[in-house]
Amino acid sequence: GAGVSQSPRYKVAKRGQDVALRCDPISGHVSLFWYQQALGQGPEFLTYFQNEAQLDKSGLPSDRFFAERPEGSVSTLKIQRTQQEDSAVYLCASSSQAGALASAQYFGPGTRLLVL
Amino acid sequence: DQQVKQNSPSLSVQEGRISILNCDYTNSMFDYFLWYKKYPAEGPTFLISISSIKDKNEDGRFTVFLNKSAKHLSLHIVPSQPGDSAVYFCAASDDRGAQKLVFGQGTRLTINP
Repeated sequence: GAGVSQSPRYKVAKRGQDVALRCDPISGHVSLFWYQQALGQGPEFLTYFQNEAQLDKSGLPSDRFFAERPEGSVSTLKIQRTQQEDSAVYLCASSSQAGALASAQYFGPGTRLLVL
Repeated sequence: DQQVKQNSPSLSVQEGRISILNCDYTNSMFDYFLWYKKYPAEGPTFLISISSIKDKNEDGRFTVFLNKSAKHLSLHIVPSQPGDSAVYFCAASDDRGAQKLVFGQGTRLTINP
């Protein structure tokens, strides 16, 4: 079946521009996660949705970052007034379990954001 | 504060031999551990996981070992193949729900013919 898809794959933004990154999780997956990966580092957690509810947004670096999943499927990560330090790969992952049930997360290919 | 550490940035192994990748963690609340493999320009691919109630899990050429007292886990790949060349990340999550993953910095594995 289809895996997690993300669009766009690459995005170049001018500093101060707003961007929106899209994630289509695996069909039927309850949980959806966003991670940020800087060059040479492991992914770092940004936010988590269980269906349409955003249960954890503790990893969002500032109030310029906003995520939504209004119908419990597709999610959008929005970054307002982008800055150069926002340049990174943004990864989306989904899993079939929710809450305290441990299960593997399946990642999309990521969106590489470059802010000039 | 790096809660999950992969102290070897790179590892080179001859084809056919065993590859051993190591990972240490500091948070005793972690109860689920995973290994991911990543090729350039792709997202991480799930390889294998282990719950804290076990000390070993095996899937084909991949085996993960967990030593809770030492807060250490390792991934064994045997025999190593050229297609195994990639960056490997270990990750952990705790039992407080949500299951957000905390990743190590990654180890680049190169399999030499």
